[in-house]
Amino acid sequence: AQTVTQSQPEMSVQEAETVTLSCTYDTSENNYYLFWYKQPPSRQMILVIRQEAYKQQNATENRFSVNFQKAAKSFSLKISDSQLGDTAMYFCAFMKTGTYKYIFGTGTRLKVLA
Amino acid sequence: GAVVSQHPSRVICKSGTSVKIECRSLDFQATTMFWYRQFPKQSLMLMATSNEGSKATYEQGVEKDKFLINHASLTLSTLTVTSAHPEDSSFYICSAREGVTDTQYFGPGTRLTVL
Repeated sequence: AQTVTQSQPEMSVQEAETVTLSCTYDTSENNYYLFWYKQPPSRQMILVIRQEAYKQQNATENRFSVNFQKAAKSFSLKISDSQLGDTAMYFCAFMKTGTYKYIFGTGTRLKVLA
Repeated sequence: GAVVSQHPSRVICKSGTSVKIECRSLDFQATTMFWYRQFPKQSLMLMATSNEGSKATYEQGVEKDKFLINHASLTLSTLTVTSAHPEDSSFYICSAREGVTDTQYFGPGTRLTVL
């Protein structure tokens, strides 16, 4: 069975600074996707970034980038130039290719300080 | 991006009653929808996979007679919590898979409180 671990329950960062959220996962699968989702106080889940396991290049989306280390089964999220609107719960998620089922980590609550 | 709605957003019911939650894909057809449950300050746990025109597939430990799922059309899935008890109080979130881009979109969630 797959598991996703987020070891940082809470983090804070000053506005405009950079922060990195950690995620590790365990799987015997070769074909899968990894995701970071943001859940603000509204509780709406918002896709931040997605990484295909077969791609060696790290995904980036504007201020968000990942450090995907497949051998180490690590998938961290870097947020650059943090903004107050980035304050939210962040979930790392695993999905085996073809299943469309997410396995979520326990989440990291990020607070951006003014 | 594509939009998924849930109705109602909040519901309070008495113990022993049944509650229906709707999940709709507003601007795309969703052959597959998923239902998640999120306890306070916890992660989302997949409850079941809902396929249009066929029976839902439930995750281990989820009572299918307790949580009835119907996917009657390509834009609508419903979750009915039958004979609700206080321990069923939770936040229920659906997601819908958009087949062309193979992207999943989440609904805004439904907070169920059982008194």
